Amino acid sequence: QKEVEQNSGPLSVPEGAIASLNCTYSDRGSQSFFWYRQYSGKSPELIMFIYSNGDKEDGRFTAQLNKASQYVSLLIRDSQPSDSATYLCAVKGERSGGYQKVTFGIGTKLQVIP
Amino acid sequence: EAQVTQNPRYLITVTGKKLTVTCSQNMNHEYMSWYRQDPGLGLRQIYYSMNVEVTDKGDVPEGYKVSRKEKRNFPLILESPSPNQTSLYFCASSLSLKQGNGYTFGSGTRLTVV
Repeated sequence: QKEVEQNSGPLSVPEGAIASLNCTYSDRGSQSFFWYRQYSGKSPELIMFIYSNGDKEDGRFTAQLNKASQYVSLLIRDSQPSDSATYLCAVKGERSGGYQKVTFGIGTKLQVIP
Repeated sequence: EAQVTQNPRYLITVTGKKLTVTCSQNMNHEYMSWYRQDPGLGLRQIYYSMNVEVTDKGDVPEGYKVSRKEKRNFPLILESPSPNQTSLYFCASSLSLKQGNGYTFGSGTRLTVV
């Protein structure tokens, strides 16, 4: 069973629409949740993190966390063609022996259609 | 500029020929990690280091070695590369394991073993 699940996509949305990217995780002790953006041929780049239930907004991006449902999502408002990329969900687990494992999902490819 | 520097960016080698991929960060980060990224499998952790002289295995350590003699450097060593180690490799660093501290990734090394 995969620890962090994402739909690989592609998810296609028209320019200006809201893109909704979803991620579920299996470890109930997980403490921090991250979204990375990865353009084709480039390295992942951190865009959001969240650790409390509810919403966290940063510009056009909103991260949502529901620990009871073990679900984290990323909303991108007013999607632009430059948002076309793969979005990786990453989950940081409980501290064990001084170490917190970070597990990545396979990523969802987002295509914003002009 | 704060960054993680990996070298080389591209490498083609033959089976069994030892190689080293270098990684250096200039942010005084404690935590460093190596990942490989393969289609359909996402990012998988190879090794990590919590500080100088402290390293441990990740999810896919077979065929790899690492060392952390200085805080800024974390080289990845393939003693006898095989074709199944053909992949895209990323080095990443983080200030600490505290909540909200995500990774800064290097630009990646695309390795082909023939």
